[in-house]
Amino acid sequence: KQEVTQIPAALSVPEGENLVLNCSFTDSAIYNLQWFRQDPGKGLTSLLLIQSSQREQTSGRLNASLDKSSGRSTLYIAASQPGDSATYLCAVRDGGNSGYALNFGKGTSLLVTP
Amino acid sequence: EAQVTQNPRYLITVTGKKLTVTCSQNMNHEYMSWYRQDPGLGLRQIYYSMNVEVTDKGDVPEGYKVSRKEKRNFPLILESPSPNQTSLYFCASSFLGQGRNIQYFGAGTRLSVL
Repeated sequence: KQEVTQIPAALSVPEGENLVLNCSFTDSAIYNLQWFRQDPGKGLTSLLLIQSSQREQTSGRLNASLDKSSGRSTLYIAASQPGDSATYLCAVRDGGNSGYALNFGKGTSLLVTP
Repeated sequence: EAQVTQNPRYLITVTGKKLTVTCSQNMNHEYMSWYRQDPGLGLRQIYYSMNVEVTDKGDVPEGYKVSRKEKRNFPLILESPSPNQTSLYFCASSFLGQGRNIQYFGAGTRLSVL
């Protein structure tokens, strides 16, 4: 079964810093990888989706990379802002043989202080 | 507006009283699934459906039922709820084709079973 690990579990940074969130997974035969943001008690907002054939995706201040061979993905947040404070979840999607399930890491809780 | 709608958002019930959480999507997605989120355990898949009348178990299906009679709806049924089913539940949907398979999540249903 796919295991997804996110490091660090929690992170506190001052406003303006660039930061990197890490995600690792055990099975490289993935369908895609998706990064989500979750605010306390709220639903999941999709940030970036990387298909299995892609290496990276960018949206605004966010950049996500994927290295399937090493089982790693990173989410880079540039010029962090207090509004970026949330939990960031990495989810690796299985292929059809495993029902296209999303396997989630436990998340990185980010606090950006003014 | 593309969305996944869950109802109710909050529910308090008692052990053994059957309940249904509804989920509806307006994007004509083939794939729908249910997840539960618990502190320390993260998000885990309960059931999924790849199309109408096609459903299958995820990682934690015990105590739950689903049905997919129409493409847009995927209700989650708890025939005899127990306190260990107290959790935050999310419905999700997506296309399955490469290049357009972002998973969209509902806002969540917070269930308490007393």
